[in-house]
Amino acid sequence: GIQVEQSPPDLILQEGANSTLRCNFSDSVNNLQWFHQNPWGQLINLFYIPSGTKQNGRLSATTVATERYSLLYISSSQTTDSGVYFCAVEGTSGTYKYIFGTGTRLKVLA
Amino acid sequence: GAGVSQSPSNKVTEKGKDVELRCDPISGHTALYWYRQSLGQGLEFLIYFQGNSAPDKSGLPSDRFSAERTGGSVSTLTIQRTQQEDSAVYLCASSLWLLAGAASQETQYFGPGTRLLVL
Repeated sequence: GIQVEQSPPDLILQEGANSTLRCNFSDSVNNLQWFHQNPWGQLINLFYIPSGTKQNGRLSATTVATERYSLLYISSSQTTDSGVYFCAVEGTSGTYKYIFGTGTRLKVLA
Repeated sequence: GAGVSQSPSNKVTEKGKDVELRCDPISGHTALYWYRQSLGQGLEFLIYFQGNSAPDKSGLPSDRFSAERTGGSVSTLTIQRTQQEDSAVYLCASSLWLLAGAASQETQYFGPGTRLLVL
């Protein structure tokens, strides 16, 4: 099956700093999502991005499907950005099944 | 309702007992998903429903796990003869619709999860 790797596994930032999170995947995908899980466990979908670039406020994401990676950019980080960021991919098998990476744990310090 | 709700929020059970977890999706959402997150681990996709139909059950960890959805709304995830390795947070999500194999753009909204502990 598809392998999904995320880097870095852990990241500590000072408030206001920028960061880039990476997601590598081992095969062609139909779709890719980025999620944020806050310190209380609540999951929020950030982007559906099988290819191209999207932006939402201070967050943006780029997926280069031909090279099998996606990047999540966080600009001017805030303490509320802390939590775990997951990348998940949907394979091309024709049935819906998302494979998750192990996540990047981000801590933003005030 | 305003969001996805799950019950119970916490469940402690003894090894070998059956448990039933419930998910109430956002009203009008036709797609519903179950995930599992073990302590300190990432997320594992279990099963999805489009309406009342679950086209692919291969994500369920074993035949002790089953799920159903009735009336296109509430879903239950049942674990029979629970084992300690079943301990995890079980998350449910819903979205307006889902078209498998296509670039679905429908946002998934997650519930708060059910924390299951098997002693």
